[in-house]
Amino acid sequence: QVQLVQSGAEVKKPGASVTVSCKPSGYTFTSYYIHWVRQAPGQGLEWMGWMNPNSGETDYAQKFHGRATMTRDTSITTAYIQVSRLRSDDTAVYYCARGTKWLVQGYWGQGTLVTVSS
Amino acid sequence: QSVLTQPPSASGTPGQRVTISCSGSSSNIGANTVTWYQQFPGTAPKLLIFSSHQRPSGVPDRFSGSKSGTSASLAISGLQSEDEADYHCATWDDDLSGIVFGTGTKVTVL
Repeated sequence: QVQLVQSGAEVKKPGASVTVSCKPSGYTFTSYYIHWVRQAPGQGLEWMGWMNPNSGETDYAQKFHGRATMTRDTSITTAYIQVSRLRSDDTAVYYCARGTKWLVQGYWGQGTLVTVSS
Repeated sequence: QSVLTQPPSASGTPGQRVTISCSGSSSNIGANTVTWYQQFPGTAPKLLIFSSHQRPSGVPDRFSGSKSGTSASLAISGLQSEDEADYHCATWDDDLSGIVFGTGTKVTVL
């Protein structure tokens, strides 16, 4: 069955960077886009961007241009998102999810809590 | 600053019909199909409706979606206690060239 397994919770100081990994299984890694969506405590969902694991092409929501970087390692079928220059308002649960370019489908990772605190 | 607007809460008694609205604009809902997700506390969202009105296999038919102009709606007929959750709408925005989510609606079963 399709699963996306993410790395564990992180605690970072303001100004630092964090990398979250996402390892899908149960389907061909390069056949579907990987989206990243985050959710701050008590808030709604916020789309961060997508990556095409086949080509490595990425697209980011305007808010995250220059501060988020999505990559992948096809040899171990794992996707990553790095967020730099962390601020306290980056505290959120970060999800990876499978999809097409325009749609986040029904397969999501379990979420990774990133806490930014001095 | 979500682009799509949903009511913060909705409620009903078991068996009632509850409707959640999702209001957007000509560049998002007006131009593209809408997706709905259900989310329980502490868990990842679950796909409920895609292409504005299609249900994935396994989603009960008491959940239905519709779209008209720049707004979309999710209806839950025959409300059940297990439907108590947060519901989020989403679509592609042509102007932003990205996916936008709604503000989210918490459904309470009284």
